[in-house]
Amino acid sequence: KNEVEQSPQNLTAQEGEFITINCSYSVGISALHWLQQHPGGGIVSLFMLSSGKKKHGRLIATINIQEKHSSLHITASHPRDSAVYICAVRWYGSGGSNYKLTFGKGTLLTVNP
Amino acid sequence: NAGVTQTPKFQVLKTGQSMTLQCAQDMNHEYMSWYRQDPGMGLRLIHYSVGAGITDQGEVPNGYNVSRSTTEDFPLRLLSAAPSQTSVYFCASRGQRNYGYTFGSGTRLTVV
Repeated sequence: KNEVEQSPQNLTAQEGEFITINCSYSVGISALHWLQQHPGGGIVSLFMLSSGKKKHGRLIATINIQEKHSSLHITASHPRDSAVYICAVRWYGSGGSNYKLTFGKGTLLTVNP
Repeated sequence: NAGVTQTPKFQVLKTGQSMTLQCAQDMNHEYMSWYRQDPGMGLRLIHYSVGAGITDQGEVPNGYNVSRSTTEDFPLRLLSAAPSQTSVYFCASRGQRNYGYTFGSGTRLTVV
């Protein structure tokens, strides 16, 4: 069964700390997505990766295809970064299966002032 | 505003009632999908569509029906609601050339 594992499940940090959230998957993928969900809120797409590294503001996402692993980093964390961060992958396939996502269970990040 | 619109935001149903969750997008996206989100679990795919007139089952399709008569709309029907269908439901879409996904704001459904 194709699986997506995230760690840690919960993470508490002090404002200003560097944050790392990890995502591992079981077989080859066509792309990996990082998503953000604020409490009681909708889901926002942060990054889509198929190789290398992407940066947007204080957020950095990396992926290592050989190791089947991705990380989401937050530099200089702020209380407004408090949210659930979700990793999702698109497995190799064709037609409809190439659009489908498999999600990790999410990492709940709390940044205290 | 461009995006995915879900209605209603909240709904309480009695066991056995039926209802339709609406999802509409104005981005001309080919792919649309419905997910449910339950505590302690990742989002799970219920049904998806790769274009008008084409639908297929996802991971947890039982108890749900969908149709895709237009590119814009992808309603999710609960035929006979059960307490196990209490969940938060998200609709998402993606274009063929746009590899990112756009999610609706969610529908919180409680079946009593």
